[in-house]
Amino acid sequence: AQSVSQHNHHVILSEAASLELGCNYSYGGTVNLFWYVQYPGQHLQLLLKYFSGDPLVKGIKGFEAEFIKSKFSFNLRKPSVQWSDTAEYFCAVVPGYSSASKIIFGSGTRLSIRP
Amino acid sequence: DAGVIQSPRHEVTEMGQEVTLRCKPISGHDYLFWYRQTMMRGLELLIYFNNNVPIDDSGMPEDRFSAKMPNASFSTLKIQPSEPRDSAVYFCASRRPGPGDTQYFGPGTRLTVL
Repeated sequence: AQSVSQHNHHVILSEAASLELGCNYSYGGTVNLFWYVQYPGQHLQLLLKYFSGDPLVKGIKGFEAEFIKSKFSFNLRKPSVQWSDTAEYFCAVVPGYSSASKIIFGSGTRLSIRP
Repeated sequence: DAGVIQSPRHEVTEMGQEVTLRCKPISGHDYLFWYRQTMMRGLELLIYFNNNVPIDDSGMPEDRFSAKMPNASFSTLKIQPSEPRDSAVYFCASRRPGPGDTQYFGPGTRLTVL
């Protein structure tokens, strides 16, 4: 079955530290990849997405992610985190070209930033 | 655009009562998704619709749950009878056709079943 793995369940960093959250998926074909963020008490919002083209994708708030097809990975990065980045981060995959493909979410990574 | 609209935002009910959650997708979006989020199980897809037709309801936990989409601008998720283990935040989301299109989430309904 298709799946998305986020191995880090909870990451704790100090402000200004660099961030990398891992995301791996299991699907051998074409994929569309997403990172969503959920701030405390709020709904999920799109951070960035990869559809085609440049595998290095830049999103909002200084986040970026790199699609590495050979590693089936789409890791999220930020060079210097802020306290306001405290949130839960979800990686998601839509396999295939079919618009009927449903999005598959990872289990999420909770990010806590120490001021 | 107002985004995905959900009501109510909070619902507290007693075990055995019927609960109806409502969702209005973004205009022009023909996919609508219902999710449930809990600490224990994370984010779960319950059911999704395309052009008002249910496509995949394999995530619906049991017969107590039902969802309808009578038209392109309205969907309901009903739980009857409700149980304490149904307590969760229920999100509705919508998107346009195309696998690369972004899924937009509503603010959620926080359901507490006593």
